[in-house]
Amino acid sequence: DVKVTQSSRYLVKRTGEKVFLECVQDMDHENMFWYRQDPGLGLRLIYFSYDVKMKEKGDIPEGYSVSREKKERFSLILESASTNQTSMYLCASSLRGRGTETQYFGPGTRLLVL
Amino acid sequence: QKEVEQDPGPLSVPEGAIVSLNCTYSNSAFQYFMWYRQYSRKGPELLMYTYSSGNKEDGRFTAQVDKSSKYISLFIRDSQPSDSATYLCAMLRGKLTFGQGTILTVHP
Repeated sequence: DVKVTQSSRYLVKRTGEKVFLECVQDMDHENMFWYRQDPGLGLRLIYFSYDVKMKEKGDIPEGYSVSREKKERFSLILESASTNQTSMYLCASSLRGRGTETQYFGPGTRLLVL
Repeated sequence: QKEVEQDPGPLSVPEGAIVSLNCTYSNSAFQYFMWYRQYSRKGPELLMYTYSSGNKEDGRFTAQVDKSSKYISLFIRDSQPSDSATYLCAMLRGKLTFGQGTILTVHP
Protein backbone atom coordinates (compact mmCIF):
# COMPACT_ATOMS: atom_id res chain seq x y z
CA ASP A 1 0.00 0.00 0.00
CA VAL A 2 1.47 3.32 -1.09
CA LYS A 3 2.06 5.73 1.66
CA VAL A 4 2.84 9.41 1.30
CA THR A 5 3.48 11.22 4.55
CA GLN A 6 3.85 14.90 5.25
CA SER A 7 5.78 16.21 8.21
CA SER A 8 3.03 18.36 9.70
CA ARG A 9 -0.75 18.43 9.49
CA TYR A 10 -1.03 22.00 10.75
CA LEU A 11 1.55 24.75 10.82
CA VAL A 12 1.40 28.37 11.96
CA LYS A 13 4.20 30.71 10.89
CA ARG A 14 4.86 34.43 10.89
CA THR A 15 5.38 36.61 7.85
CA GLY A 16 9.01 36.54 6.73
CA GLU A 17 9.84 33.18 8.31
CA LYS A 18 11.50 30.44 6.29
CA VAL A 19 9.21 27.42 6.15
CA PHE A 20 10.08 23.83 5.30
CA LEU A 21 7.42 21.30 4.32
CA GLU A 22 8.63 17.73 4.11
CA CYS A 23 7.16 14.87 2.12
CA VAL A 24 8.23 11.22 2.18
CA GLN A 25 6.96 8.33 0.06
CA ASP A 26 7.72 4.68 0.66
CA MET A 27 7.01 3.12 -2.76
CA ASP A 28 10.19 3.99 -4.64
CA HIS A 29 8.30 6.37 -6.94
CA GLU A 30 10.37 8.46 -9.32
CA ASN A 31 7.95 11.39 -9.60
CA MET A 32 7.01 13.71 -6.77
CA PHE A 33 4.80 16.79 -6.80
CA TRP A 34 3.84 19.72 -4.62
CA TYR A 35 0.40 21.33 -4.99
CA ARG A 36 -1.49 23.95 -3.11
CA GLN A 37 -5.25 23.74 -2.69
CA ASP A 38 -7.41 26.82 -2.20
CA PRO A 39 -11.21 27.16 -2.13
CA GLY A 40 -12.57 27.93 -5.57
CA LEU A 41 -9.21 27.32 -7.24
CA GLY A 42 -8.74 23.57 -6.88
CA LEU A 43 -5.24 22.10 -6.86
CA ARG A 44 -2.45 24.06 -8.48
CA LEU A 45 0.96 22.60 -9.22
CA ILE A 46 3.88 24.41 -7.60
CA TYR A 47 6.89 22.21 -8.45
CA PHE A 48 7.57 18.64 -9.45
CA SER A 49 10.55 16.35 -9.69
CA TYR A 50 11.23 13.38 -11.96
CA ASP A 51 14.41 12.27 -10.26
CA VAL A 52 16.83 13.00 -7.46
CA LYS A 53 18.26 16.53 -7.70
CA MET A 54 15.91 17.34 -10.59
CA LYS A 55 13.11 19.85 -10.36
CA GLU A 56 10.67 21.49 -12.73
CA LYS A 57 8.48 24.54 -12.20
CA GLY A 58 4.76 24.04 -12.16
CA ASP A 59 2.09 26.67 -12.68
CA ILE A 60 2.74 28.80 -9.58
CA PRO A 61 6.42 28.48 -8.50
CA GLU A 62 6.89 32.10 -7.40
CA GLY A 63 7.84 32.38 -3.75
CA TYR A 64 8.69 28.69 -3.46
CA SER A 65 11.69 26.45 -3.96
CA VAL A 66 12.16 22.69 -3.64
CA SER A 67 14.81 20.18 -2.77
CA ARG A 68 15.12 16.51 -3.66
CA GLU A 69 18.33 15.05 -2.27
CA LYS A 70 16.93 11.52 -1.85
CA LYS A 71 14.47 9.63 -3.99
CA GLU A 72 11.90 9.22 -1.24
CA ARG A 73 11.95 12.79 0.05
CA PHE A 74 10.75 16.02 -1.56
CA SER A 75 10.86 19.27 0.37
CA LEU A 76 8.98 22.49 -0.32
CA ILE A 77 10.59 25.68 0.95
CA LEU A 78 8.96 29.04 1.47
CA GLU A 79 11.97 31.35 1.59
CA SER A 80 10.07 34.23 3.22
CA ALA A 81 6.51 33.30 4.08
CA SER A 82 3.76 35.73 3.19
CA THR A 83 0.07 35.80 4.15
CA ASN A 84 -0.98 34.91 0.60
CA GLN A 85 0.81 31.58 1.06
CA THR A 86 -1.73 30.55 3.67
CA SER A 87 -3.13 27.40 2.10
CA MET A 88 -3.40 23.62 2.14
CA TYR A 89 -0.25 22.04 0.70
CA LEU A 90 -0.46 18.58 -0.81
CA CYS A 91 2.39 16.32 -1.80
CA ALA A 92 1.96 13.48 -4.31
CA SER A 93 4.08 10.79 -5.90
CA SER A 94 3.80 8.49 -8.91
CA LEU A 95 5.79 6.01 -10.92
CA ARG A 96 7.75 7.27 -13.90
CA GLY A 97 5.88 6.84 -17.15
CA ARG A 98 3.78 8.65 -19.72
CA GLY A 99 2.14 10.77 -17.09
CA THR A 100 -0.95 8.62 -16.87
CA GLU A 101 0.23 6.89 -13.71
CA THR A 102 -1.85 7.35 -10.61
CA GLN A 103 -0.69 10.10 -8.31
CA TYR A 104 -0.86 9.18 -4.63
CA PHE A 105 -1.43 12.07 -2.29
CA GLY A 106 -0.40 12.72 1.26
CA PRO A 107 -2.90 14.02 3.85
CA GLY A 108 -1.86 17.64 3.38
CA THR A 109 -0.33 20.36 5.52
CA ARG A 110 -2.58 23.25 6.42
CA LEU A 111 -0.32 26.32 6.68
CA LEU A 112 -1.39 29.58 8.26
CA VAL A 113 0.90 32.58 7.82
CA LEU A 114 0.19 35.43 10.21
CA GLN B 1 -10.86 31.58 -18.72
CA LYS B 2 -9.80 28.58 -16.68
CA GLU B 3 -8.79 25.49 -18.63
CA VAL B 4 -11.08 23.33 -16.49
CA GLU B 5 -14.34 24.56 -15.00
CA GLN B 6 -16.22 22.69 -12.28
CA ASP B 7 -19.25 23.83 -10.33
CA PRO B 8 -18.10 23.98 -6.68
CA GLY B 9 -21.58 23.32 -5.32
CA PRO B 10 -22.14 22.53 -2.55
CA LEU B 11 -24.46 19.73 -3.59
CA SER B 12 -26.73 18.09 -1.03
CA VAL B 13 -28.78 15.00 -1.91
CA PRO B 14 -30.75 12.37 -0.02
CA GLU B 15 -29.41 8.85 0.33
CA GLY B 16 -30.23 6.74 -2.72
CA ALA B 17 -30.28 9.65 -5.17
CA ILE B 18 -28.40 9.68 -8.46
CA VAL B 19 -25.68 12.29 -8.39
CA SER B 20 -24.29 14.01 -11.46
CA LEU B 21 -20.99 15.90 -11.25
CA ASN B 22 -19.71 17.79 -14.27
CA CYS B 23 -16.67 19.54 -15.69
CA THR B 24 -16.07 21.44 -18.89
CA TYR B 25 -12.70 22.15 -20.41
CA SER B 26 -11.28 24.37 -23.09
CA ASN B 27 -8.03 22.63 -24.09
CA SER B 28 -8.75 20.01 -26.74
CA ALA B 29 -5.25 18.60 -26.24
CA PHE B 30 -6.23 16.94 -22.96
CA GLN B 31 -5.86 13.21 -23.45
CA TYR B 32 -6.82 11.58 -20.17
CA PHE B 33 -9.63 12.36 -17.79
CA MET B 34 -9.78 11.48 -14.14
CA TRP B 35 -11.99 11.85 -11.12
CA TYR B 36 -10.49 12.14 -7.65
CA ARG B 37 -12.37 11.90 -4.37
CA GLN B 38 -11.18 13.81 -1.32
CA TYR B 39 -12.56 13.13 2.13
CA SER B 40 -12.34 15.80 4.77
CA ARG B 41 -8.79 16.22 6.16
CA LYS B 42 -7.40 13.73 3.63
CA GLY B 43 -5.54 13.96 0.35
CA PRO B 44 -7.33 13.21 -2.95
CA GLU B 45 -7.49 9.61 -4.16
CA LEU B 46 -8.05 8.46 -7.72
CA LEU B 47 -11.58 7.21 -8.27
CA MET B 48 -11.82 6.71 -12.01
CA TYR B 49 -9.73 7.26 -15.11
CA THR B 50 -10.61 7.19 -18.79
CA TYR B 51 -9.14 8.40 -22.05
CA SER B 52 -11.82 7.94 -24.68
CA SER B 53 -15.23 9.37 -25.34
CA GLY B 54 -18.03 7.25 -23.95
CA ASN B 55 -18.88 5.69 -20.62
CA LYS B 56 -16.85 3.71 -18.13
CA GLU B 57 -18.50 1.95 -15.22
CA ASP B 58 -17.09 0.85 -11.89
CA GLY B 59 -19.72 -0.36 -9.46
CA ARG B 60 -22.00 2.56 -8.60
CA PHE B 61 -19.80 5.03 -10.46
CA THR B 62 -19.93 5.91 -14.16
CA ALA B 63 -17.50 8.28 -15.82
CA GLN B 64 -18.63 9.85 -19.08
CA VAL B 65 -16.50 11.79 -21.55
CA ASP B 66 -17.74 13.80 -24.52
CA LYS B 67 -14.69 15.12 -26.32
CA SER B 68 -16.71 16.87 -29.03
CA SER B 69 -18.43 19.00 -26.38
CA LYS B 70 -15.39 19.13 -24.07
CA TYR B 71 -17.50 17.87 -21.22
CA ILE B 72 -17.00 15.14 -18.64
CA SER B 73 -19.34 13.78 -15.99
CA LEU B 74 -19.29 11.47 -13.02
CA PHE B 75 -22.53 9.74 -12.07
CA ILE B 76 -23.04 8.10 -8.70
CA ARG B 77 -25.98 5.70 -8.44
CA ASP B 78 -27.66 4.82 -5.15
CA SER B 79 -25.61 7.44 -3.35
CA GLN B 80 -24.56 6.70 0.24
CA PRO B 81 -23.59 8.96 3.15
CA SER B 82 -20.07 7.54 2.76
CA ASP B 83 -19.93 9.21 -0.68
CA SER B 84 -19.92 12.61 1.04
CA ALA B 85 -16.66 14.20 -0.07
CA THR B 86 -15.18 16.69 -2.48
CA TYR B 87 -14.96 15.39 -6.05
CA LEU B 88 -12.28 16.79 -8.30
CA CYS B 89 -12.07 16.31 -12.03
CA ALA B 90 -8.58 16.30 -13.48
CA MET B 91 -7.24 16.27 -17.01
CA LEU B 92 -3.87 15.26 -18.28
CA ARG B 93 -1.59 16.53 -20.97
CA GLY B 94 1.91 16.29 -19.61
CA LYS B 95 0.67 17.35 -16.21
CA LEU B 96 -2.59 17.17 -14.33
CA THR B 97 -4.92 20.17 -14.40
CA PHE B 98 -7.63 20.04 -11.75
CA GLY B 99 -11.09 21.50 -11.56
CA GLN B 100 -12.11 23.48 -8.48
CA GLY B 101 -13.83 20.52 -6.86
CA THR B 102 -17.51 19.92 -5.99
CA ILE B 103 -18.48 19.42 -2.36
CA LEU B 104 -21.07 16.63 -2.11
CA THR B 105 -23.12 15.76 0.95
CA VAL B 106 -25.38 12.71 0.97
CA HIS B 107 -27.72 12.84 3.94
CA PRO B 108 -29.50 9.78 5.40
